[in-house]
Amino acid sequence: KAGVTQTPRYLIKTRGQQVTLSCSPISGHRSVSWYQQTPGQGLQFLFEYFSETQRNKGNFPGRFSGRQFSNSRSEMNVSTLELGDSALYLCASSIQGEETQYFGPGTRLLVL
Amino acid sequence: GIQVEQSPPDLILQEGANSTLRCNFSDSVNNLQWFHQNPWGQLINLFYIPSGTKQNGRLSATTVATERYSLLYISSSQTTDSGVYFCAVVNYGQNFVFGPGTRLSVLP
Repeated sequence: KAGVTQTPRYLIKTRGQQVTLSCSPISGHRSVSWYQQTPGQGLQFLFEYFSETQRNKGNFPGRFSGRQFSNSRSEMNVSTLELGDSALYLCASSIQGEETQYFGPGTRLLVL
Repeated sequence: GIQVEQSPPDLILQEGANSTLRCNFSDSVNNLQWFHQNPWGQLINLFYIPSGTKQNGRLSATTVATERYSLLYISSSQTTDSGVYFCAVVNYGQNFVFGPGTRLSVLP
């Protein structure tokens, strides 16, 4: 079974731009969660989608948004990028949400 | 929300040594996982262990849910064990919360 995939793997943007990241979960998994990892804040939960509905949301500004499609693939969008958005963005998939989570390789975003 | 602490924050071992990593959490959980993050950032599942004891090769884990802690044991450590070890918990209906991690360096 193929693992969780994320695209792109690396991204460089400038302040004020927007970015869209993509995550394809393991086949059969309906829950996709997104996390931001930075050296200062560690791994922080962004949001979780299940069956195309946002089920949980972390404490991030409205510039961070996401969606999930009917095939369970998910995208997250960050608008009006700030320097502090530079981070490793990880997505994880699971069957229903609260059991074993499997992570993708991440997208490294650098905002200049 | 639930708080997760991990200790020690940093650990340096000689190859072949054993180690114990600890995870404390502040509330009841229905899921606890241990992960290893390799130098490329990939988070690799080690254990799904909301309670009890599990073993996988040189690694084992024990979670005492009633006392709100989990332990990860690494025996006969190898240089490839280096990286950051995270525990993550979820409290019914909520999202996963990660601890700050333990950075392990295994020296040859």
